[in-house]
Order: sequence, then C-alpha cells, then structure tokens
Amino acid sequence: DADVTQTPRNRITKTGKRIMLECSQTKGHDRMYWYRQDPGLGLRLIYYSFDVKDINKGEISDGYSVSRQAQAKFSLSLESAIPNQTALYFCATSDFQGTFFGQGTRLTVV
Amino acid sequence: GDSVTQMEGPVTLSEEAFLTINCTYTATGYPSLFWYVQYPGEGLQLLLKATKADDKGSNKGFEATYRKETTSFHLEKGSVQVSDSAVYFCALTPLSSGSARQLTFGSGTQLTVLP
Repeated sequence: DADVTQTPRNRITKTGKRIMLECSQTKGHDRMYWYRQDPGLGLRLIYYSFDVKDINKGEISDGYSVSRQAQAKFSLSLESAIPNQTALYFCATSDFQGTFFGQGTRLTVV
Repeated sequence: GDSVTQMEGPVTLSEEAFLTINCTYTATGYPSLFWYVQYPGEGLQLLLKATKADDKGSNKGFEATYRKETTSFHLEKGSVQVSDSAVYFCALTPLSSGSARQLTFGSGTQLTVLP
C-alpha cells in the first residue's frame, strides 16, 4: 500500500458543486500539504498543516478549505467548484528526511 | 518572494545522449534545493537534493551541484535511457520555513528519450 493515499484518483464535477478530496498517510508525519499542479506552472501550495490543530494558507488558498481530522488525514474541499479549478491535486507529507507525495487526484470541473 | 526558474521544455533526446536541465533560483538565505521526478500517472518522487553550497546531490546517474554564486542547481546525466522519460521539477525549501518544509517548484521540464 502507498504511504500517502489520495481518493478519488479521478473526478468530474459540475460548476457550483461542493467536492472533497481526501488524503491519508501511514508515515506518521505531523506535516501535511495540499498542492495543485497546472501545466507550465509546476506545483503551487494551497494549504499546509503542522499538526491537527495548526492549519495555514498557502500561495493559492482562495476557493479552497481544508480539514485535518487526525494526524493521518487531511482533506481538501472546494466549496463551489469552478472550471479554473480543473487541475491535478497532490497531497504530501514531510519530515526531516524529505517530502512524500500521493499519486494525485485529477479533478475536472465542467 | 522565493522562486525557481526552470529550463523550458519539452526536451527530446536519443538514448545515451547527455542531459542538462537548467534550474536557477531566487531566495533569501540558504535554501535547500531538490530535483523531483514525475513518471506518467504517478506522484512526484524525490530524485536528489542538496542542502548547502557546493553540495552535490546524486541518484540513479543524475547529479546536480548547489552553486551559490550563480544561484543554480542544474540537473545532469551522462547517458539517458528511455526509462528516464518523465517530467522533472526543480524545487527549494526556504530556510525561513523552519520545520514546515513547504516547497516552491519550478514549472517542470518534460523529458522524452527516444530509443
């Protein structure tokens, strides 16, 4: 099993719908992250969490919210999806050894 | 703010050719520098890293040297293989992030190696 698991792997949703992307990890790390990948832009940080009670906005948090339900779980929500949120979303965890990514969720908003 | 500028792709090479992907950065202090690789349909994997000036990171035949004077961290491989076809990302963690280790990424370079 993967150390960082994202669900779903693919999702198509309609404009205006609320959608949640889920992430769970078995690495025991306190730090978790959500990134968004767009062609030609690399990955950009949406939110990050130092521990269950510490949530921080990243570079592009507008239109997104997160919930850290437990050390191992960090979910990303789009309150009202819009087409320019179509992207590949990555969850990640980190410790002193490095950052570890999930396999990504491809989200399409139509 | 911090930023990473990567050589634009895509890059297409024949097998056994020499590879260079340029990466320069802007950051305060002494960031840690990374190269990540993304194979089709997969997440990002750490390829190599360097945490201080003049450090050389290496892995799977790839190398990159942390050059403080030129603010660069170019990725090189002497002889590429078809299996190296992937997207390569240069990234940094600013020293100011402390233990948070947020990464700032370059735009990525698509490498295709032809047999």
